[in-house]
Amino acid sequence: DGGITQSPKYLFRKEGQNVTLSCEQNLNHDAMYWYRQDPGQGLRLIYYSQIVNDFQKGDIAEGYSVSREKKESFPLTVTSAQKNPTAFYLCASSTTTNGYGYTFGSGTRLTVV
Amino acid sequence: AQSVSQHNHHVILSEAASLELGCNYSYGGTVNLFWYVQYPGQHLQLLLKYFSGDPLVKGIKGFEAEFIKSKFSFNLRKPSVQWSDTAEYFCAVNAMDSSYKLIFGSGTRLLVRP
Repeated sequence: DGGITQSPKYLFRKEGQNVTLSCEQNLNHDAMYWYRQDPGQGLRLIYYSQIVNDFQKGDIAEGYSVSREKKESFPLTVTSAQKNPTAFYLCASSTTTNGYGYTFGSGTRLTVV
Repeated sequence: AQSVSQHNHHVILSEAASLELGCNYSYGGTVNLFWYVQYPGQHLQLLLKYFSGDPLVKGIKGFEAEFIKSKFSFNLRKPSVQWSDTAEYFCAVNAMDSSYKLIFGSGTRLLVRP
């Protein structure tokens, strides 16, 4: 079955450490996205990528970095510069021929202690 | 910048009550509009979407939404809710620019009491 795989489901890290969240899709989608979900704030866009080797900052990119070396993969690194990294992170992908067809992963809950 | 506002953060209803969740967006151009639902412990799922044509859109599980362009609104409705509709509901907008990114509202938590 096609879909998006995010791993791990739960992640704990010490403050000051960088951590990388994995996102892999086998849908042959060109575009991929990272969102952060916090209670009462909905989903906020961190980074997105429409093609391989290209990505754009979203609304809350500070303290995060991404890469898009392969079409299938869009890993997100939460750096020590992110002041409040504890959150639920969602990855999504979509076609680029129109605005629909978003598929979401199951998310990674990151807790920084 | 585009933005989406959902004015009801928490809604509590009894079963069989009617539901209307408000959604307003700010963008002057052409948009695609969506409602997503997140049941407890589950993925985000698409409830319905509007691209063009009839402004009254029907989705899954008896939900519908009406696009009112003059009001920049896309309110979600259901005539009679069930306990199983307890979830968080997100309105989202995709501006028809080249980015294809979705901008989400802050969400509305719906609790339906049996």
